[in-house]
Amino acid sequence: GQQVMQIPQYQHVQEGEDFTTYCNSSTTLSNIQWYKQRPGGHPVFLIQLVKSGEVKKQKRLTFQFGEAKKNSSLHITATQTTDVGTYFCAGTNSGYALNFGKGTSLLVTP
Amino acid sequence: NAGVTQTPKFQVLKTGQSMTLQCAQDMNHNSMYWYRQDPGMGLRLIYYSASEGTTDKGEVPNGYNVSRLNKREFSLRLESAAPSQTSVYFCASSDSPDLIGYTFGSGTRLTVV
Repeated sequence: GQQVMQIPQYQHVQEGEDFTTYCNSSTTLSNIQWYKQRPGGHPVFLIQLVKSGEVKKQKRLTFQFGEAKKNSSLHITATQTTDVGTYFCAGTNSGYALNFGKGTSLLVTP
Repeated sequence: NAGVTQTPKFQVLKTGQSMTLQCAQDMNHNSMYWYRQDPGMGLRLIYYSASEGTTDKGEVPNGYNVSRLNKREFSLRLESAAPSQTSVYFCASSDSPDLIGYTFGSGTRLTVV
């Protein structure tokens, strides 16, 4: 079945440093979504990418969808302590339910 | 607008006991989902309901049953709880078929002893 793999599993940065998490799928995806989960909270939808090579920005966050629609990345510029949490990518090729990666846990120290 | 409401928030069960996790959404979404989250394992799909009246197995359905009671409600039942079912359970909904942006409930933290 479809697998969505995410690296790294953990990342610890100093406030102000940049952060990137990568997502790879074993199959071509119809779309990819990104979610953020704060410690003790629930996943919250951030963004969806649909087109091959698509790039979207949300303030300091930049999301990319690969040309082959099998990989994606999330880049955070100049991290802040409010960025702490686990970032999940999720994709589907079936149109029925999302398969989530295992997530990247980001710790930001002041 | 409450979004997705899950009850209970916390539960401790003894091995062999049964219970039902409740989920309700007020966004008129067609599709609803149950995921479990374990440390280092991400979110794994247990069951989903693409539309009212239909349910399908996900990645880890063994030991669970579901009921799509109506368009708003999707319940998850553990018939005979096992320690391996200790987890955090999340219900989610989306407006199919685009699947744009699941809305998650706040979760149920279940411990089976």
